[in-house]
Amino acid sequence: AQSVAQPEDQVNVAEGNPLTVKCTYSVSGNPYLFWYVQYPNRGLQFLLKYITGDNLVKGSYGFEAEFNKSQTSFHLKKPSALVSDSALYFCAVRGFNYGGATNKLIFGTGTLLAVQP
Amino acid sequence: NAGVTQTPKFQVLKTGQSMTLQCAQDMNHEYMSWYRQDPGMGLRLIHYSVGAGITDQGEVPNGYNVSRSTTEDFPLRLLSAAPSQTSVYFCASRKGSFSTDTQYFGPGTRLTVL
Repeated sequence: AQSVAQPEDQVNVAEGNPLTVKCTYSVSGNPYLFWYVQYPNRGLQFLLKYITGDNLVKGSYGFEAEFNKSQTSFHLKKPSALVSDSALYFCAVRGFNYGGATNKLIFGTGTLLAVQP
Repeated sequence: NAGVTQTPKFQVLKTGQSMTLQCAQDMNHEYMSWYRQDPGMGLRLIHYSVGAGITDQGEVPNGYNVSRSTTEDFPLRLLSAAPSQTSVYFCASRKGSFSTDTQYFGPGTRLTVL
């Protein structure tokens, strides 16, 4: 079965410290992976994506993510957290069926990032 | 560009009532979709459309209908509201169907069914 797992419901980090939000996936083909952020009472905003190529992907607001095929992971990282980074973060993967990649995104359950001043 | 717009922002219904959640995009995107967001469950796909006149079911389609008469609009209809449909609903669009294009989300509609 295809799935995305975000093992942490909440991540707490002090401002200025590095942050990591974890994501692991399970798909039958080459994964297309995405990170989205949701600020309170807002829709989801795109942060970054991995399709192919360099395993380290850089995105918006200083975020980056590392694709690790052997560990089937796509963790989101930032070297120095800001209080304004506090939000709900979703990992997503493009689904697959017998015909190949589908047009559907499978979302994780989300991780709440809380950055303390 | 306004992007993806949704109306209303908030809605309270009684069990059994029907209503339509509106979604529009001005980016000439082929692909549009509806999700519901529930605590601890992430986003679940309700219905999607790969172009005008074409719709298909997602993961949780029961109790919802959609149509796509134009490229711009993709309304979601609740036929007979139930408390289990209390949720936040997001409309999304992207340029292509089988592409790796970025998906853009609307601001959401918070629906409460009493």
